[in-house]
Amino acid sequence: SQTIHQWPATLVQPVGSPLSLECTVEGTSNPNLYWYRQAAGRGLQLLFYSVGIGQISSEVPQNLSASRPQDRQFILSSKKLLLSDSGFYLCAWAWTVDQPQHFGDGTRLSIL
Amino acid sequence: DAKTTQPPSMDCAEGRAANLPCNHSTISGNEYVYWYRQIHSQGPQYIIHGLKNNETNEMASLIITEDRKSSTLILPHATLRDTAVYYCIVRVATLQGAQKLVFGQGTRLTINP
Repeated sequence: SQTIHQWPATLVQPVGSPLSLECTVEGTSNPNLYWYRQAAGRGLQLLFYSVGIGQISSEVPQNLSASRPQDRQFILSSKKLLLSDSGFYLCAWAWTVDQPQHFGDGTRLSIL
Repeated sequence: DAKTTQPPSMDCAEGRAANLPCNHSTISGNEYVYWYRQIHSQGPQYIIHGLKNNETNEMASLIITEDRKSSTLILPHATLRDTAVYYCIVRVATLQGAQKLVFGQGTRLTINP
């Protein structure tokens, strides 16, 4: 079976500090990978998606970047965090574009 | 992008069937209806999806009207662990083929003992 792991579960960072959130998927190959952000009391916003190694597409301009160094690894990064980067960050995977997305347990990021 | 409309909250007694409605009157012919749920502080969990026909799996049933303008998610025997926010989503395709799920406010379902 397939599993998706995200870490850390919670993170508190000062404004201006760097960020690296990691997501890995097991039990599948060449999945579609997604990063979403959920602000408090709001729906999910798609940030980045990837259909293969080294392929990253951004949905919204922002202070964040994403990379996919390996087939089943998806990393969300920032060089300098802003207060507005606070939120619940979720990674998801899907077999193909036509298949359901399956989410990890998320990282709750607080910026002080 | 097709939009969905759901009631903000619903209550259901434990052991009863929970019927969650969703309107998606602007849905296109090739767009699927997806249902996810989110328990507090966890990632969304996929429940079921469908295009035209009714669907059933181990978690729930999905009833889609003939005109596809609305659907109902049915949890046949609700338990306390089914308390969550339920999202009805119409899949939105991005330019490069990867699907974008647009989550609205959902329905907060509370199962009462």
